[in-house]
Amino acid sequence: GAVVSQHPSRVICKSGTSVKIECRSLDFQATTMFWYRQFPKQSLMLMATSNEGSKATYEQGVEKDKFLINHASLTLSTLTVTSAHPEDSSFYICSASPDSSIASSYGYTFGSGTRLTVV
Amino acid sequence: AQTVTQSQPEMSVQEAETVTLSCTYDTSESDYYLFWYKQPPSRQMILVIRQEAYKQQNATENRFSVNFQKAAKSFSLKISDSQLGDAAMYFCAFSWARTGANSKLTFGKGITLSVRP
Repeated sequence: GAVVSQHPSRVICKSGTSVKIECRSLDFQATTMFWYRQFPKQSLMLMATSNEGSKATYEQGVEKDKFLINHASLTLSTLTVTSAHPEDSSFYICSASPDSSIASSYGYTFGSGTRLTVV
Repeated sequence: AQTVTQSQPEMSVQEAETVTLSCTYDTSESDYYLFWYKQPPSRQMILVIRQEAYKQQNATENRFSVNFQKAAKSFSLKISDSQLGDAAMYFCAFSWARTGANSKLTFGKGITLSVRP
């Protein structure tokens, strides 16, 4: 089955530093990947759509310069939280679909998430 | 823009009993997909069941089934013979039947299901 690998699972960083989160589709190619943010006991909030070979599409209210997304290949998308602050502490999740024709028809596979803590 | 509403924040069910989780949505599109995702304490998102809007037949996956009412824009999930492992947060989600970025998921707020032994 379709597998999405996300690393690291947990990261603690100091305020002002940057941290990179990787999302890999292991057994399929994904032209589109999605990045979400989730606070405890709340829903997933879409941050941006990662497009292979082109710029990411950010949702309204998401700072492009703070959350840098790079989709360099058909199997890898990265989210870099730049100049992290304690308010950036959250759970970040990526997802992708193995069906590139109509991506939503098959369903989406999610990474296991990254718990970011900024101290 | 489409919206997904889960009005019940929490529900509880006795083990081996049946429970129904409610979801309504709003869209002007006629071609779309609906999903139920489960998020256990590990926080891994797991696809439970999906429904194509053009199909009238309700989707079923073992103990999980949906009641899809397209005209009413309702998409409820029924869990039969509830098990302790069913305890999790459940999210209803919507997606247009399109490609790429236009196929993004819109989630409801979620419902926390607890299972009593």
